[in-house]
Amino acid sequence: GENVEQHPSTLSVQEGDSAVIKCTYSDSASNYFPWYKQELGKGPQLIIDIRSNVGEKKDQRIAVTLNKTAKHFSLHITETQPEDSAVYFCAAIPPYSGGGADGLTFGKGTHLIIQP
Amino acid sequence: DTGVSQDPRHKITKRGQNVTFRCDPISEHNRLYWYRQTLGQGPEFLTYFQNEAQLEKSRLLSDRFSAERPKGSFSTLEIQRTEQGDSAMYLCASSKKQGTTEAFFGQGTRLTVV
Repeated sequence: GENVEQHPSTLSVQEGDSAVIKCTYSDSASNYFPWYKQELGKGPQLIIDIRSNVGEKKDQRIAVTLNKTAKHFSLHITETQPEDSAVYFCAAIPPYSGGGADGLTFGKGTHLIIQP
Repeated sequence: DTGVSQDPRHKITKRGQNVTFRCDPISEHNRLYWYRQTLGQGPEFLTYFQNEAQLEKSRLLSDRFSAERPKGSFSTLEIQRTEQGDSAMYLCASSKKQGTTEAFFGQGTRLTVV
């Protein structure tokens, strides 16, 4: 099955600086890579995703890059703000269904702390 | 609110009791997923439904767990004879179709077994 590794586990940056979170995946067939933001006591919120047919996607201050050859993808947040403080999860999923593979496989999460 | 809705938000139960959680997905979504999340970890896949059919169960889903989606709309997750190790956040998500599409999560049900 798929395995997703996420680094770092904790990231502290000054407000206004950029933050980068990195993930690697094991199944080369995986073709969909979402990122979720989770605030304390709440469910994960989808913030951006990327499919394997593109290398980069951007939405305002958030961008995701994908390197299929190296099997890694990254989340970039620019001009960080206090409300960006949360736990961020990357995930991956292969295109085939059945065999327990039709759910997302998540990384362990990155606690992003924005220092004022 | 047209998002995924879960009830209750919190549940405290004594070990050995049965509990049931409910999930109402986004109305036009025919796929519904259950995940479990323990402290400091990412969500772990438990099971999913395509309409009313339960198509897959994770190894994490012991025989004390059962899920239903009788009419292809809301779903319930029941845990029988709860154990302290069942304490976790139980998350429900829904999506329009097979995996490679956006999945939206509910707020979760926090279960504490004492």
